[in-house]
Amino acid sequence: AQSVTQLDSQVPVFEEAPVELRCNYSSSVSVYLFWYVQYPNQGLQLLLKYLSGSTLVKGINGFEAEFNKSQTSFHLRKPSVHISDTAEYFCAVKSGYSTLTFGKGTMLLVSP
Amino acid sequence: DGGITQSPKYLFRKEGQNVTLSCEQNLNHDAMYWYRQDPGQGLRLIYYSQIVNDFQKGDIAEGYSVSREKKESFPLTVTSAQKNPTAFYLCASTAGGRSTDTQYFGPGTRLTVL
Repeated sequence: AQSVTQLDSQVPVFEEAPVELRCNYSSSVSVYLFWYVQYPNQGLQLLLKYLSGSTLVKGINGFEAEFNKSQTSFHLRKPSVHISDTAEYFCAVKSGYSTLTFGKGTMLLVSP
Repeated sequence: DGGITQSPKYLFRKEGQNVTLSCEQNLNHDAMYWYRQDPGQGLRLIYYSQIVNDFQKGDIAEGYSVSREKKESFPLTVTSAQKNPTAFYLCASTAGGRSTDTQYFGPGTRLTVL
């Protein structure tokens, strides 16, 4: 079985500050990891994904994430956030023939 | 433009009525999925289909039904047996069933049962 834990339900931050959204996963086999963003009343959009290779993955809108196998983590980072980054962010894991499992989400609140 | 459409965006129904949510994709994707989203719960898988005329239950299939008669369409029926149907429903698709395939999402339908 696989699972995802997003450690923070909300992360408040000021504009132009750095941010890290934390994600830990559990799986007994090799995994593929994803971060999605959801703006209010919209569907999800892929930010980035880790399939294999380099553990540092760069995505859209200046976001990046690092896969850490020993800590079973895939934290999302951005060096300087904008008001427009205010949204809910979901971490997801897939392994083997399983379907995608999502975390409960982290609401990023960017204020001026 | 290729993508996934869900209609309607907002839907209101009386308790005890069945309701069908539409999902259409023109991405030529083989696999399609239905998720339910509740505040603070993330996304939970209701049903998925990897090929026409075949579908599998997800984690919370009770009170829901689906069909996959055409590759591009995967409608979801919320039946009166679903105890708490008010939620945001998201449809998604992938090119195939491989673990590395990215899921693409529709804009969602917000269902409110009065």
